[in-house]
Amino acid sequence: NAGVMQNPRHLVRRRGQEARLRCSPVKGHSHVYWYRQLPEEGLKFMVYLQKENIIDESGMPKERFSAEFPKEGPSILRIQQVVRGDSAAYFCASSRVGQGVTQYFGPGTRLTVL
Amino acid sequence: TQLLEQSPQFLSIQEGENLTVYCNSSSVFSSLQWYRQEPGEGPVLLVTVVTGGEVKKLKRLTFQFGDARKDSSLHITAAQPGDTGLYLCADDRTDSWGKLQFGAGTQVVVTP
Repeated sequence: NAGVMQNPRHLVRRRGQEARLRCSPVKGHSHVYWYRQLPEEGLKFMVYLQKENIIDESGMPKERFSAEFPKEGPSILRIQQVVRGDSAAYFCASSRVGQGVTQYFGPGTRLTVL
Repeated sequence: TQLLEQSPQFLSIQEGENLTVYCNSSSVFSSLQWYRQEPGEGPVLLVTVVTGGEVKKLKRLTFQFGDARKDSSLHITAAQPGDTGLYLCADDRTDSWGKLQFGAGTQVVVTP
């Protein structure tokens, strides 16, 4: 089953450290989306990427957060100098094309900041 | 900014009972998707509805889309423990490059 893969599934960081979350899309999908799910809240869109391009980062916090989807390899969501408020589940989804097409979600990475 | 409201927030029922959860929008949906999310996993798409008044059935699940395309319901007949999960509605904003906007969800627990 070549679905969306995310790793690690669980990540623990201390305040001030960096967190790197990886996402491998479904084979053949060239569009990746990142969402964040805080406790008691629904999923919130963060960023939409195509290979080597950021299409929409309107949901990304202005500081400390960055995302990339290189020509080769997985998509990476990077959080620098993590704070406790960054603790959440981060989900990646992929699709063949962008607008109006089904997105397939990965199992998520649960980030805990101590 | 569009607001998606889901109700109820939490629903606990016995196996064999029926249940309905709701999703309402402050503006017209582009297209509405329903997802189910189990603990520790990502959301799984159940259905997409596009046309006002549309009704779709998926085994014991019935999805209705309001005529004005601002509300939707999900009805489960004879619920089973396997139906337990967080039910999320989402609008696929076709004017925003496929960016999904989610409601907060309804947590459904079905006990044997």
